[in-house]
Amino acid sequence: DGGITQSPKYLFRKEGQNVTLSCEQNLNHDAMYWYRQDPGQGLRLIYYSQIVNDFQKGDIAEGYSVSREKKESFPLTVTSAQKNPTAFYLCASAARVSKNIQYFGAGTRLSVL
Amino acid sequence: GQQLNQSPQSMFIQEGEDVSMNCTSSSIFNTWLWYKQDPGEGPVLLIALYKAGELTSNGRLTAQFGITRKDSFLNISASIPSDVGIYFCAGMGIGSARQLTFGSGTQLTVLP
Repeated sequence: DGGITQSPKYLFRKEGQNVTLSCEQNLNHDAMYWYRQDPGQGLRLIYYSQIVNDFQKGDIAEGYSVSREKKESFPLTVTSAQKNPTAFYLCASAARVSKNIQYFGAGTRLSVL
Repeated sequence: GQQLNQSPQSMFIQEGEDVSMNCTSSSIFNTWLWYKQDPGEGPVLLIALYKAGELTSNGRLTAQFGITRKDSFLNISASIPSDVGIYFCAGMGIGSARQLTFGSGTQLTVLP
């Protein structure tokens, strides 16, 4: 099936630990995005990438890092510098041929131990 | 960044009732999108609007792109229990990044 796969569904981070969230898409989309969602709030953009080997910071990039070595993959690392990492993380992808409409994965819930 | 004002924040309605929610912005958007999110899942696209004044339906859902390009509304007719969830509006502006700005969501509860 075509789509966006996020893994794991649930993730726990210990103090001082870096953790990496996976996002893979087989839709042949050029652009990929990472959002953070907190209860009662809208989605806030962390990082985005419009092409392989290039990415830009979003509104809340501090404490996060990304890479885009392959078109299909856009992993997000939550570093120890992110002091409040507990949230629901959503990955999305989009293509110009479909008017840049973003389609989302099922999300990863990150909690701190 | 830009802000979208989405209202109401939450709604409790009886099954069979109609629902209306809206989003307003201080900035112009070229595209308005409406998504629905079930608990613990990612948002799913419901309706996309591309032109000012456009009125688009998807089953019991109807959405409109405001004439000023600064607002949009979503109506749900004859609500059913599976309509429960969080509804988000999102605006896409001009620019190469084509980023989305999201509203804070409307939590819909349908009472039997």
